[in-house]
Amino acid sequence: QKEVEQNSGPLSVPEGAIASLNCTYSDRGSQSFFWYRQYSGKSPELIMSIYSNGDKEDGRFTAQLNKASQYVSLLIRDSQPSDSATYLCAVRGAGGTSYGKLTFGQGTILTVHP
Amino acid sequence: DTEVTQTPKHLVMGMTNKKSLKCEQHMGHRAMYWYKQKAKKPPELMFVYSYEKLSINESVPSRFSPECPNSSLLNLHLHALQPEDSALYLCASSHDSSGANVLTFGAGSRLTVL
Repeated sequence: QKEVEQNSGPLSVPEGAIASLNCTYSDRGSQSFFWYRQYSGKSPELIMSIYSNGDKEDGRFTAQLNKASQYVSLLIRDSQPSDSATYLCAVRGAGGTSYGKLTFGQGTILTVHP
Repeated sequence: DTEVTQTPKHLVMGMTNKKSLKCEQHMGHRAMYWYKQKAKKPPELMFVYSYEKLSINESVPSRFSPECPNSSLLNLHLHALQPEDSALYLCASSHDSSGANVLTFGAGSRLTVL
């Protein structure tokens, strides 16, 4: 089982729609969760961080965390063509040999078409 | 200054060459990271430095040699690389290596090994 798994893509949505990206993780003790966006040929940039169960909203982005289900999601409302990118879910290790280690899922490619 | 600066942006080297990648940050961060990213794959952790000491080595081959001369600088020395080592090498930093801290990535150094 992979440490961090994301829903298989690619995901294609029309402009203005809601894009839903999902991620599960295996380390039950993990406490810190991140969504990064990566445009082709560029480095990852942070979109959202979430540490507590529930929802966290920032503009058009909402992150949701359910630690009991070991599940993290990212919703993008009113999707724009400029949102077309690879979205990476990342989980920070809880302790032991994983302490300090940020592990990425395989990424979901999102395309927003006009 | 909220940036992580990586040099060079592009590097082409032969299998017998010795070269170095450099990373610099002036955000007062005490944790610095090297990641390797192959095309269409997520970033993979190579090394973590915490307070200038190597805290994580993800079983990276010895042809990659990290160095942290001070809290602002991180180098990756390259020697006798293989063509399969061609990739985007990403440097990142965070306040420290504890779980809640966000990683800020540099733009990356794209390495081609001939």
